[in-house]
Amino acid sequence: DQQVKQNSPSLSVQEGRISILNCDYTNSMFDYFLWYKKYPAEGPTFLISISSIKDKNEDGRFTVFLNKSAKHLSLHIVPSQPGDSAVYFCAASDITSNTGKLIFGQGTTLQVKP
Amino acid sequence: EAGVAQSPRYKIIEKRQSVAFWCNPISGHATLYWYQQILGQGPKLLIQFQNNGVVDDSQLPKDRFSAERLKGVDSTLKIQPAKLEDSAVYLCASSLGGTTVRETQYFGPGTRLLVL
Repeated sequence: DQQVKQNSPSLSVQEGRISILNCDYTNSMFDYFLWYKKYPAEGPTFLISISSIKDKNEDGRFTVFLNKSAKHLSLHIVPSQPGDSAVYFCAASDITSNTGKLIFGQGTTLQVKP
Repeated sequence: EAGVAQSPRYKIIEKRQSVAFWCNPISGHATLYWYQQILGQGPKLLIQFQNNGVVDDSQLPKDRFSAERLKGVDSTLKIQPAKLEDSAVYLCASSLGGTTVRETQYFGPGTRLLVL
């Protein structure tokens, strides 16, 4: 049972344009969401997070939007740069968890073309 | 500040053999996690330690996997005997382990295991 889904395995955009990565979840108890970025041969690195009490969080070129009614979140990268080419993982945490356990999606590979 | 260290980076073994992975978390981090990432999937938590105690091992296949963090610092994950489906990247992560569960987890580079 995949509780966090990233239905697009890959995305290709032109440098300077917007990249939109999507994530859907099924568990209504998830209350905290994160995006991680992963380069080849490296571990994932934290990018940005959002709590369920918000619908938007912005950090520089990165913005995460949360639509709780649709159980959907998205990561916007504007403008996209070639260095953003990586695998992006969406992750979620359950409000009932006292351990902070993260459930990850399958990842979306972003390619930004110069 | 040094990041999470893992070794070895790559390992190839035959099925039914045993293998061990080592992780040294960021200094001062009380919480340590082991994840399994199978190709095409996201990381899946295997076990979580708070200092040297196990917090969550609900997804650890205990018939063949074991992990320890004896002194509350570095940790080892062992697979014995290995199966073909254990081929994956094994990621170690750590976090401060403070009073909030909403802590950033910092990941090591992972150990890529291939079971033949």
